[in-house]
Amino acid sequence: KNQVEQSPQSLIILEGKNCTLQCNYTVSPFSNLRWYKQDTGRGPVSLTIMTFSENTKSNGRYTATLDADTKQSSLHITASQLSDSASYICVVVYNTDKLIFGTGTRLQVFP
Amino acid sequence: KAGVTQTPRYLIKTRGQQVTLSCSPISGHRSVSWYQQTPGQGLQFLFEYFSETQRNKGNFPGRFSGRQFSNSRSEMNVSTLELGDSALYLCASSDQTGRYNEQFFGPGTRLTVL
Repeated sequence: KNQVEQSPQSLIILEGKNCTLQCNYTVSPFSNLRWYKQDTGRGPVSLTIMTFSENTKSNGRYTATLDADTKQSSLHITASQLSDSASYICVVVYNTDKLIFGTGTRLQVFP
Repeated sequence: KAGVTQTPRYLIKTRGQQVTLSCSPISGHRSVSWYQQTPGQGLQFLFEYFSETQRNKGNFPGRFSGRQFSNSRSEMNVSTLELGDSALYLCASSDQTGRYNEQFFGPGTRLTVL
C-alpha cells in the first residue's frame, strides 16, 4: 500500500536551534518528493522538490535530503525563527501525477 | 502573477444543506485539483480537472462533485452536508509543464457544518 509517514507528529524547539523532520515512504513508482510548509489557516507552500537522482536540495535555511534506496527523506531547518512555526508536509508523487500526503509535523518555535 | 484564489474563505452551514466553493487558478494554469484537509486525516485528494474534464478522482462519495469552466476556474459542490464534511478545502493549480509539474495552493475555504 502506498503510504507516507512523518515523524515526529509535533515538535517544540527554541528560537535559533536546528531541527530535523523525517519522512518515510512506501510509494511506487516514485516520481518525486516534495516538502511543503503550511502556516495555520493557509494553503501549503512548496519548499523543495526532489527527484530520484537528487540527494540534497536547499532553500535558504531549509535543506532536504532524499535516500531513494531506503525511501527516506528529511527536512533540516537551521537557526530556527519564530516564523518557522508551521506544519511541514511531505508529499510523494508517483505515476508522474498522483500525490500521497503525509499527515505532517507540527513545529512550534518559542523565543 | 496573482496566486490561486478561493472564495469564500469561511463558510458555516448546517447538516443537509449544500455548498459551492470556488477556485481561480493562476493565470495560464489549466489543471485544478481539490483537496480536503482535516486534523485527523491530513490532506486527501478529491479530484482534478484539466481543460474542463475531470482527469482524476479520489475516494470520496458522490456528494462531492466539481466542474471546471473554459477560463479554468473551478467549482466544487458538496450536497447533503454531514458533520464530518467540516474541513479546510484547498485547491491547487498547475500549468502541467516543467520538470516537476509543481502545484500551487490557494489559501483554502474553511467549511464548518453544524
